[in-house]
Amino acid sequence: AQKITQTQPGMFVQEKEAVTLDCTYDTSDPSYGLFWYKQPSSGEMIFLIYQGSYDQQNATEGRYSLNFQKARKSANLVISASQLGDSAMYFCAMRGQNSGYSTLTFGKGTMLLVSP
Amino acid sequence: DAGITQSPRHKVTETGTPVTLRCHQTENHRYMYWYRQDPGHGLRLIHYSYGVKDTDKGEVSDGYSVSRSKTEDFLLTLESATSSQTSVYFCAISESQGYGYTFGSGTRLTVV
Repeated sequence: AQKITQTQPGMFVQEKEAVTLDCTYDTSDPSYGLFWYKQPSSGEMIFLIYQGSYDQQNATEGRYSLNFQKARKSANLVISASQLGDSAMYFCAMRGQNSGYSTLTFGKGTMLLVSP
Repeated sequence: DAGITQSPRHKVTETGTPVTLRCHQTENHRYMYWYRQDPGHGLRLIHYSYGVKDTDKGEVSDGYSVSRSKTEDFLLTLESATSSQTSVYFCAISESQGYGYTFGSGTRLTVV
């Protein structure tokens, strides 16, 4: 079975600083994908970034990057130069071969608060 | 411009009553999903569909049923609502296996 673990229930960061949100996963699949979603207080789920297990380079999307360490089974989200609008809940998720790649398994989330 | 809409957005219902939540998409995506979100649990999969009349159970399917008679609609039914089903329900769609999801705006259901 697939499992996603986000060990940080909450994180605090000052504006303009970088922050790392942790995500570890457990799977026996040789092929899988890792996702990060953002959920602001308004409630919608916003896709941020994707990393495939066979990708050689870490994924980047603007201020977001994914620190993918395959041997350690970690896929941490790095937000550079935090902004007040980054305050939100962040979810790590994975899809894998076990589910036919059809479904995503989510972690419990990390609440990020950015202070001025 | 939303390619996926959920209705209703909010609902309060009494214990023991049936409830149906609707998810409608205009993207012609094959895969549709229902998740529930609860504090401390993240998002948990209830049911999903991989085509018209093709559905499968997720992690927390007890007490829920689904139907998909058309590509664009995926219905989630609580046959007899219980207080433990008070939650925020998200529908999501995916173009294909291996793709990420696009989420609906969510339905906040309260069972009293």
